[in-house]
Amino acid sequence: KQEVTQIPAALSVPEGENLVLNCSFTDSAIYNLQWFRQDPGKGLTSLLLIQSSQREQTSGRLNASLDKSSGRSTLYIAASQPGDSATYLCAVLFDDYKLSFGAGTTVTVRA
Amino acid sequence: EAQVTQNPRYLITVTGKKLTVTCSQNMNHEYMSWYRQDPGLGLRQIYYSMNVEVTDKGDVPEGYKVSRKEKRNFPLILESPSPNQTSLYFCASMGGGGSDTQYFGPGTRLTVL
Repeated sequence: KQEVTQIPAALSVPEGENLVLNCSFTDSAIYNLQWFRQDPGKGLTSLLLIQSSQREQTSGRLNASLDKSSGRSTLYIAASQPGDSATYLCAVLFDDYKLSFGAGTTVTVRA
Repeated sequence: EAQVTQNPRYLITVTGKKLTVTCSQNMNHEYMSWYRQDPGLGLRQIYYSMNVEVTDKGDVPEGYKVSRKEKRNFPLILESPSPNQTSLYFCASMGGGGSDTQYFGPGTRLTVL
């Protein structure tokens, strides 16, 4: 079974600290990996998409890395702000076109 | 504007009353899919479609039906809803080749009494 795991489940940091969110997957046969943000009761906002051939992607304060061979991705958020408080989801599109999500990491940034 | 739309956004119904949640995308995407999101279980794929007339089961297809008669539309059908199908549902679409971003609809909150 293709599984996606996110650690930690929750994270609380003071404003200004860097965030490190981890995602691991059991099958390295993937097309891409995507990071999303979800606010309570809301939809999904796409943050970064990494193709299977890429090692990392960057957008502003966000940087995501991918190590396909070890089945890992990491999302870095630099200089966190209270507005970064949300749940972050990792989604892996496997080669059979099934998309699996991790359970998410809920982030709280304290002012 | 590129978007995925779902209707209705909120629905309260009773056990056994057939319902359909519509999903439409304006990006000419080949791939469309449905997910449900439940507390503690995260997002799980219900069905996906690679193209018109091509559909496949995801992880939790029991109790659901889908059809893909047109490229832009991918409705989710609950023939006989039950309370355990109370959930938040998302539709998504993606361009071909596995290289595209997944675009998600705003979600449909369904309550089955």
